[in-house]
Amino acid sequence: DAGVIQSPRHEVTEMGQEVTLRCKPISGHNSLFWYRQTMMRGLELLIYFNNNVPIDDSGMPEDRFSAKMPNASFSTLKIQPSEPRDSAVYFCASSSPPFANEAFFGQGTRLTVV
Amino acid sequence: AQSVTQPDIHITVSEGASLELRCNYSYGATPYLFWYVQSPGQGLQLLLKYFSGDTLVQGIKGFEAEFKRSQSSFNLRKPSVHWSDAAEYFCAVGGGATNKLIFGTGTLLAVQP
Repeated sequence: DAGVIQSPRHEVTEMGQEVTLRCKPISGHNSLFWYRQTMMRGLELLIYFNNNVPIDDSGMPEDRFSAKMPNASFSTLKIQPSEPRDSAVYFCASSSPPFANEAFFGQGTRLTVV
Repeated sequence: AQSVTQPDIHITVSEGASLELRCNYSYGATPYLFWYVQSPGQGLQLLLKYFSGDTLVQGIKGFEAEFKRSQSSFNLRKPSVHWSDAAEYFCAVGGGATNKLIFGTGTLLAVQP
């Protein structure tokens, strides 16, 4: 398996623009996680899905952030409108039972909002 | 509340020296514990995990960790560090009815020649 695939790897956008990050989980995994990593806050769990259903989105910072998982092989994290403080590395991870906490991470998307 | 504490932000060791990275957790039930490693510009790679059974677990790249329930700790060790071990190391806790994985703030390891 190719692992968790994220795109793009790097994104530079202007403040106010919409940004969409994409993730393809490992085939057969039924849990998907979105994390944000910054120097100040470390690794933060934004949202996670089980069987395509959002289970916990308490980490989503504000309404500008939204995430979807239309099917088992694809998820998006959207920021609209983007702000400079959203600059971070965004990771997607997936896992499967019985070891549902053993998450496999993608390479991340480095987002820079100028 | 679930939490993970990695008290050492930055550690420098000499190549060939032993290493111990500290991790303390707070969790209401029996935890699942993990150590991940992140090289610059890369995602996180799982080093080892503890779910149950033997409290000393072996991982990849010669790492091991010991679960000590009485101390709420899960420290990572390696007897002889290699220059390629320079990276950031994250301890994480999860388990129970939720799939949430909570990470510590990480320890950045530098290796001196």
